Amino acid sequence: SAVISQKPSRDICQRGTSLTIQCQVDSQVTMMFWYRQQPGQSLTLIATANQGSEATYESGFVIDKFPISRPNLTFSTLTVSNMSPEDSSIYLCSVEGTGGPRTQYFGPGTRLLVL
Amino acid sequence: QKEVEQNSGPLSVPEGAIASLNCTYSDRGSQSFFWYRQYSGKSPELIMFIYSNGDKEDGRFTAQLNKASQYVSLLIRDSQPSDSATYLCAVNFVGRGSQGNLIFGKGTKLSVKP
Repeated sequence: SAVISQKPSRDICQRGTSLTIQCQVDSQVTMMFWYRQQPGQSLTLIATANQGSEATYESGFVIDKFPISRPNLTFSTLTVSNMSPEDSSIYLCSVEGTGGPRTQYFGPGTRLLVL
Repeated sequence: QKEVEQNSGPLSVPEGAIASLNCTYSDRGSQSFFWYRQYSGKSPELIMFIYSNGDKEDGRFTAQLNKASQYVSLLIRDSQPSDSATYLCAVNFVGRGSQGNLIFGKGTKLSVKP
């Protein structure tokens, strides 16, 4: 499976500010995904990022709050804008792998605390 | 609303026993089913996937799928303390507006006692 890295690994931010999270993959992948995992909860898909097209957002998530870039086949960023304490979560990127149709592999995650 | 349901646990088993983790899903059109293991403070790690009815074995892990009952399970044989983690069931829904995204259950916390 692909090796996925994320930066930063964790951060503490003040409300009203924005944070950009980077996801880097060691091989070219078509589809990248951004998830959120709130404390004690499971994973919720924020959006799907395909290179060369606009990201596709899931219900409840909007581009103004979570803008995404996908400039090439190995890199993507997710920005959490105008943060509030409710945005405190783990943010994870994932990629589709070659283990089988729709298999996804996750990066190490970014742990965000908003004060 | 597409849903994936799991018993949150904790499920406690003695070392060497079989741990049985269960998952039900709401959409009969679901095609792919995945089990992830998540250690505390870590990201999910894919351990099994299954697409067809029946059993699929990989080492100490067996995934079982019953599409008629909309039920998927994970058996862990000879459980070890290192298996203690939260196990997430994920289901691939394919439909209008969806790119075949995964819907995750809330996970079952497994504790294997030495």
